[in-house]
Amino acid sequence: DQQVKQNSPSLSVQEGRISILNCDYTNSMFDYFLWYKKYPAEGPTFLISISSIKDKNEDGRFTVFLNKSAKHLSLHIVPSQPGDSAVYFCAALADSNYQLIWGAGTKLIIKP
Amino acid sequence: NAGVMQNPRHLVRRRGQEARLRCSPMKGHSHVYWYRQLPEEGLKFMVYLQKENIIDESGMPKERFSAEFPKEGPSILRIQQVVRGDSAAYFCASSPRQNPSSYEQYFGPGTRLTVT
Repeated sequence: DQQVKQNSPSLSVQEGRISILNCDYTNSMFDYFLWYKKYPAEGPTFLISISSIKDKNEDGRFTVFLNKSAKHLSLHIVPSQPGDSAVYFCAALADSNYQLIWGAGTKLIIKP
Repeated sequence: NAGVMQNPRHLVRRRGQEARLRCSPMKGHSHVYWYRQLPEEGLKFMVYLQKENIIDESGMPKERFSAEFPKEGPSILRIQQVVRGDSAAYFCASSPRQNPSSYEQYFGPGTRLTVT
């Protein structure tokens, strides 16, 4: 039972363009969502988060959008840079819990 | 301020041996979480500990796996009588106080366990 789904295993984007990574969830009790970035042989690094009371959160080149009715969130990176090439994980948290529930990740490749 | 430390980074064990994975949280963090990542999958929660207490071990197999976070020293994840299916990356994360008041968890580099 996969509560957090990232349906695209990989995504290739031209440098300078916008990268859009998608995430769907099934549990309506989730009220906090996080994006993590992971390089090979390293642990995940926190990137950006959003509370369910908001529909958008922006931090520099990174913006996360949340559509609660569709149970969908997306991470926008603009402009994309070579250093953005990594695996991006979407994770969710319910207020009554502390277990991060993770998607399977999307490998982002930025082409020069 | 050093990040979360994990050692060893790579561990090879034969079937039936014991594996001990260590995690030192960030300075000032008293909450530790262990996750396991199988190839091509996301991380799966295993256990949540505070100093000297196991708060939630619902994600940890009942047999062969145990975790501790003593008053002094690192958190230890122990796997007894390892089997090939235990081969995975094990990540430790820490946070300064219990979620949800601090949602972000900070991760160590992981220990890659290979069972031969």
